[in-house]
Amino acid sequence: AQKITQTQPGMFVQEKEAVTLDCTYDTSDPSYGLFWYKQPSSGEMIFLIYQGSYDQQNATEGRYSLNFQKARKSANLVISASQLGDSAMYFCAMRPYNAGNMLTFGGGTRLMVKP
Amino acid sequence: DAGVIQSPRHEVTEMGQEVTLRCKPISGHNSLFWYRQTMMRGLELLIYFNNNVPIDDSGMPEDRFSAKMPNASFSTLKIQPSEPRDSAVYFCASSAPGNTEAFFGQGTRLTVV
Repeated sequence: AQKITQTQPGMFVQEKEAVTLDCTYDTSDPSYGLFWYKQPSSGEMIFLIYQGSYDQQNATEGRYSLNFQKARKSANLVISASQLGDSAMYFCAMRPYNAGNMLTFGGGTRLMVKP
Repeated sequence: DAGVIQSPRHEVTEMGQEVTLRCKPISGHNSLFWYRQTMMRGLELLIYFNNNVPIDDSGMPEDRFSAKMPNASFSTLKIQPSEPRDSAVYFCASSAPGNTEAFFGQGTRLTVV
């Protein structure tokens, strides 16, 4: 079974600064994907970024990048140049490549961007 | 594509009534997930279908919950009888073949009074 841990229930960041949201995971599967989702106050779940366990380079999508450290089993999300619209809940998720590949989520981190 | 479509968006029902939540996944997606989100328990995976077949339903809370996927374009989650503790936002998500991201519907906010 896999487990995703997000140790920061809430974080503040000043507008225009960078912020790192932590995510660690535990799995016995050798191949897996890691995902980050954003949930604003309106409630929808928005996919942000994906990292494959065999990818050599860290994934980037615009202002989002994933700091993937496989040996440490961590997949931290870095948001550069924070904007007020980044205030939301952020969820880390993992999905193994095997036949029963469920998508499992961490408990989330609430990010608040200060003007 | 219109994305994952869930209905209804909001449901208020009395304790003991049957509730049916509906989901239309994105065309071509072969994996479908049902999640429940509450403040206390976060996002819980209830059941996961692959090619219309239930793969893992270990997250279904109890026998009052049941889910079906009669074809590739439709799934239902039924609660019978409903209880106040079932009040939550229920999300449906679908993904394409392979280890790809899942796309979520807008969710159904269920309130059982």
